[in-house]
Amino acid sequence: NAGVTQTPKFQVLKTGQSMTLQCAQDMNHEYMSWYRQDPGMGLRLIHYSVGAGITDQGEVPNGYNVSRSTTEDFPLRLLSAAPSQTSVYFCASSYSLESSTDTQYFGPGTRLTVL
Amino acid sequence: AQTVTQSQPEMSVQEAETVTLSCTYDTSESNYYLFWYKQPPSRQMILVIRQEAYKQQNATENRFSVNFQKAAKSFSLKISDSQLGDTAMYFCAFMKPFTGNQFYFGTGTSLTVIP
Repeated sequence: NAGVTQTPKFQVLKTGQSMTLQCAQDMNHEYMSWYRQDPGMGLRLIHYSVGAGITDQGEVPNGYNVSRSTTEDFPLRLLSAAPSQTSVYFCASSYSLESSTDTQYFGPGTRLTVL
Repeated sequence: AQTVTQSQPEMSVQEAETVTLSCTYDTSESNYYLFWYKQPPSRQMILVIRQEAYKQQNATENRFSVNFQKAAKSFSLKISDSQLGDTAMYFCAFMKPFTGNQFYFGTGTSLTVIP
């Protein structure tokens, strides 16, 4: 199993540009999430999904869109990048944690810089 | 949103000694899940330990154990026999059940193990 994969690993954008961060998992997990990590602030939830076709907003959703057309993929779109979106982005996936002793598995992260 | 507080931004410990990282959280829920994650310089998020609030017994995982005080809303992590590989950021996380596996993270504690 590759686990949770994210592409790209690094990206530099100019203000106003758009891009999509890719996330894929091969563990057949129902749940997938996107977090951003900023210095001194820990990880904050952007959007999450409980299954294909179902997404919802997390703590900091503004400026980001998501969709989940398949179980495996959960892309994160920045429609018009802003310097405030400079961060490290993590994708995570899991089974329902209420019915298992498992946890969320995190991808390796994407470091995004917006100039 | 839930609040998770880690009041120690940085800590250090001598190799082979014991160190305790603190975490407090704010919730009105009676059932929830708590986690400690480790993030080494590689940036990968690695699960250290998990605790279910309905369990009175403190979780242990080899050299890692927790002191879960439900009434005080406290969830500290004890690392025994510290090793150089334990050097990392440590994040405490809270999850309410049946919310799509939404995690709320603390701001992290940077632990350095000194040879």
